[in-house]
Amino acid sequence: EIVLTQSPGTLSLSPGERATLSCRASQYVNNNQLAWYQQRPGQAPRILIYGVSTRATGIPDRFSGSGSGTDFTLTISRLEPEDFAVYYCLHYVGSPNSFGQGTRLDIK
Amino acid sequence: EVQLVESGGGLVEPGGSLRLSCAASGFTFSSHWMHWVRQAPGKGLEWVSHITPDGSIANYADSVKGRFSVSRDNAKNTLYLQMNSLRSKDTAVYYCVRQISSGGDCGQGTLVTVSS
Repeated sequence: EIVLTQSPGTLSLSPGERATLSCRASQYVNNNQLAWYQQRPGQAPRILIYGVSTRATGIPDRFSGSGSGTDFTLTISRLEPEDFAVYYCLHYVGSPNSFGQGTRLDIK
Repeated sequence: EVQLVESGGGLVEPGGSLRLSCAASGFTFSSHWMHWVRQAPGKGLEWVSHITPDGSIANYADSVKGRFSVSRDNAKNTLYLQMNSLRSKDTAVYYCVRQISSGGDCGQGTLVTVSS
């Protein structure tokens, strides 16, 4: 079973700054089956990235994903006010699938 | 436009059963893996189950294995989650999710509360 560990737990930044979120897997993630979700308070999760680096439909290009093997990164190039939320990585290799514990992105 | 609408949540006593439904539209349902994901109050996301497009293979998280069963009716474009022997720890909002590699869209969720 693959365990995903996200860091940091909380990230405090200002609008306009760059955010870098990390997701580390306990085992190799095959076929780049790693996604990122955003969840704003009171809302359903929204997919941002799948296949490590493919932006989902309608996702702004300030969001980018990278990585391979066991280390993955979500980068938000210039934070907008609506980007302050919780972010989760998800692997969907085989079974069981699993989420990381989340990174909370707060306004500084 | 992809739409996923969950229903069937509610209040149930410990040990009880509930069946959730997810009505899908806007895509070829019968060609997609589908997932159930849940979120307990104040907690993170937890993957629960997934099922292949033809419904022949389903997998589960250890926390629900043997108690929950996922199924689908491709003629009705509907995904189901049968939940038996419910426990207080199963209290959560349950979301259905479309195949991740095709966009991973989530529904708005349905709340299940297990309490006496």
